[in-house]
Amino acid sequence: SQTIHQWPATLVQPVGSPLSLECTVEGTSNPNLYWYRQAAGRGLQLLFYSVGIGQISSEVPQNLSASRPQDRQFILSSKKLLLSDSGFYLCAWYGADHYEQYFGPGTRLTVT
Amino acid sequence: GIQVEQSPPDLILQEGANSTLRCNFSDSVNNLQWFHQNPWGQLINLFYIPSGTKQNGRLSATTVATERYSLLYISSSQTTDSGVYFCAVGVFGRAGTALIFGKGTTLSVSS
Repeated sequence: SQTIHQWPATLVQPVGSPLSLECTVEGTSNPNLYWYRQAAGRGLQLLFYSVGIGQISSEVPQNLSASRPQDRQFILSSKKLLLSDSGFYLCAWYGADHYEQYFGPGTRLTVT
Repeated sequence: GIQVEQSPPDLILQEGANSTLRCNFSDSVNNLQWFHQNPWGQLINLFYIPSGTKQNGRLSATTVATERYSLLYISSSQTTDSGVYFCAVGVFGRAGTALIFGKGTTLSVSS
């Protein structure tokens, strides 16, 4: 079966510290992968997407970066966190039919 | 880019009531999905419905692509239906076929 994992589930980090969030998918190959962010009480905003290894597209200029070192691994990073980076980060992919997008359980990040 | 508007922003119901949530979008799309975000933040897929009508238990959805809107119907609501409902649209091949989300409808069902 196809599943998507994210870790950590929750994270509290001080301003200026680095960040690494990981997303992995199982049961598929060469998936399109996505990072979205949801600020408190708001909708989801696309941050990055990747159509293959090493291929990253950014939708919103920001303090974050993404990498795809392996086919089924997508990483979201920051060198120095800002307060405004707080939020709920969700990784997503398309299912086997390539029509319906599915989301991981998310990482709740609080920058203090 | 494509704009997605959802209404109403908030909805308060008594258990057993019916409701209709609306999603308007500003351009032609070939992907439209409805999600329910539970209290733990998990996005649960409800419908993939770029056009036509689908039903799943007490929930049904209709999308009229030519008029650029979609409706989500919840019948005989239960307290477990509470949460935020999102409509999201996309165009295959555009931005990696990423989804554009509305701001959601927050539903509160009381017993």
